[in-house]
Amino acid sequence: AQSVTQLDSHVSVSEGTPVLLRCNYSSSYSPSLFWYVQHPNKGLQLLLKYTSAATLVKGINGFEAEFKKSETSFHLTKPSAHMSDAAEYFCVVSGSGTYKYIFGTGTRLKVLA
Amino acid sequence: DTAVSQTPKYLVTQMGNDKSIKCEQNLGHDTMYWYKQDSKKFLKIMFSYNNKELIINETVPNRFSPKSPDKAHLNLHINSLELGDSAVYFCASSHRQAVVHGYTFGSGTRLTVV
Repeated sequence: AQSVTQLDSHVSVSEGTPVLLRCNYSSSYSPSLFWYVQHPNKGLQLLLKYTSAATLVKGINGFEAEFKKSETSFHLTKPSAHMSDAAEYFCVVSGSGTYKYIFGTGTRLKVLA
Repeated sequence: DTAVSQTPKYLVTQMGNDKSIKCEQNLGHDTMYWYKQDSKKFLKIMFSYNNKELIINETVPNRFSPKSPDKAHLNLHINSLELGDSAVYFCASSHRQAVVHGYTFGSGTRLTVV
């Protein structure tokens, strides 16, 4: 079975400082992993995805994530936070079928001025 | 605009009523989904259709019934609404190879049952 754990429910950073949102996964086969962002009262937008190609994945808005099989992790990072990054972030692993996503419980990122 | 569009955006209704949420996508995707997001922001899949055929049906009450008249539409009908049905419902679509392309989500329907 597949599962995903987001280690922090809330993260606060100051504007201009680095962002780290942590995600660990469990999968019985080589997983596909995604990060989605949800701004308040909005739908979910795909930030980036890992599908067994390069382990360092670059996404939109300066975000990137590194797939580490030995650590079963897929942490999301950004060198410098912007106020507009304040949102809910979801780590996702693809389920046992092609279609089903397993969502993490989300990490709320707060960016302080 | 190419998108996944849901209507209505907000829905407030009384317990016991029957309501529908509509979803349409013009992305040419062949697979559509309904997800429920609870008050703690947890997202769980409810249904998935591929080319008008049901392929995922998680453990949801029988009061929820999806209808897919064609592969561009997946509507959600809910009978005898209960307080616990209050949530945000997201429609999404993808190509069958979702692991490569990812999902495209609609902007959600906030259902409030009073």
